[in-house]
Amino acid sequence: QVQLQESGPGLVKPSETLSLTCTVSGGSTNTYYWNWIRQPPGKGLEWIGYIYDSGGSGTANYNPSLWSRVTMSLDTSKNQFSLKLNSLTAADTAVYYCARYDLRRRFDYWGQGTLVTVSS
Amino acid sequence: QSALTQPPSASGSPGQSVTISCTGTSSDVGDYNSVSWYQQHPGKAPKLMIYEVTKRPSGVPDRFSGSKFGNTASLTVSGLQAEDEADYYCSSYTTSSTLLFGGGTKVTV
Repeated sequence: QVQLQESGPGLVKPSETLSLTCTVSGGSTNTYYWNWIRQPPGKGLEWIGYIYDSGGSGTANYNPSLWSRVTMSLDTSKNQFSLKLNSLTAADTAVYYCARYDLRRRFDYWGQGTLVTVSS
Repeated sequence: QSALTQPPSASGSPGQSVTISCTGTSSDVGDYNSVSWYQQHPGKAPKLMIYEVTKRPSGVPDRFSGSKFGNTASLTVSGLQAEDEADYYCSSYTTSSTLLFGGGTKVTV
């Protein structure tokens, strides 16, 4: 059974950079698309981006509304992928989920989510 | 890219049916059979309910069904039960190789 687990700080200051890691167990990160999705309190889901293994390096694609602030990376040796989001504001306060998108074009496995609050 | 359009709310009595729409464009919902639907209960991660427009993962009751016509996909929940009360989100792959979610629909039973 594939499991995903987010890790990272729960509180980040405005203008700083958020760093989150998703650890995948029960499966390999060298196939599928690995995604970050967020959900502000009381609001809907927003896709942030995905990364996949393109033969030794990761190829990413980001939400156009966030692309200037987002960087994703993939470490297949550790079965982990990561998110960096810079220039944070209060609007970035959200539950951040990592999720797998498979060849059937579905988010089939999700992490439990981690709440990140942007506040001084 | 704009979010897919869903009604903010829908409701039905136990045993009745409710249908939720998800409207996109010819660059997303209308272009691929890659629409999927997710159920989310408060404080929980979303759960896959429908993929490739009409398919149900194992373990999802056959009360849940999906369809698509043109740029609009739909999720129907038949025989509503109390545990179906949740938020529902549609998602689609796009011609830009990105992903989109709908704004979400709160279903009240």
